Amino acid sequence: KNEVEQSPQNLTAQEGEFITINCSYSVGISALHWLQQHPGGGIVSLFMLSSGKKKHGRLIATINIQEKHSSLHITASHPRDSAVYICAAHISNFGNEKLTFGTGTRLTIIP
Amino acid sequence: GAGVSQSPSNKVTEKGKDVELRCDPISGHTALYWYRQSLGQGLEFLIYFQGNSAPDKSGLPSDRFSAERTGGSVSTLTIQRTQQEDSAVYLCASSLVITELSNQPQHFGDGTRLSIL
Repeated sequence: KNEVEQSPQNLTAQEGEFITINCSYSVGISALHWLQQHPGGGIVSLFMLSSGKKKHGRLIATINIQEKHSSLHITASHPRDSAVYICAAHISNFGNEKLTFGTGTRLTIIP
Repeated sequence: GAGVSQSPSNKVTEKGKDVELRCDPISGHTALYWYRQSLGQGLEFLIYFQGNSAPDKSGLPSDRFSAERTGGSVSTLTIQRTQQEDSAVYLCASSLVITELSNQPQHFGDGTRLSIL
């Protein structure tokens, strides 16, 4: 079993729909990252959170530390949101730092 | 430039050759990470530097892989005697400060696409 699990693997939605991508992890973390990978391969860090909720434009990320679960929401989705969304658990252990990644959710927004 | 810079952007080489990949982090970023993404696969952590020091090398796939960082800045990832399974996109990321209490977002380079023939 992967330490970081994402769902769904693939998601297709109509423009304007509310999108939710889920991430569950089984390890102790110091932070949870949400990344966006564009079709060209570039990766952008969207959020890094260790508690509560963060919002940036139409994107919202939440985390529940007790349940080891995080969600990424996109409101009023747009075709330019089409990308692979990756969650990653940031694990800190006595000066060692690493990210463990989920397998990604491929989001396609249809005009 | 202001971002993380990686070179070369593409590298094609024959099996058995050595390759060296370079990462120029954002100026002042003390933490540097190497990842790879094989075709159709997720991202895989390779190694992390805090300054010039790499506390944990266990993510490197084999002893053919090594990495170093000098002057707390540029890092090189070297793969010796390349194999076809080494073909992947190798990504570098940097962040400003890294402690358990003040993690910072990582800024990614565009990657080096390595193809082993």
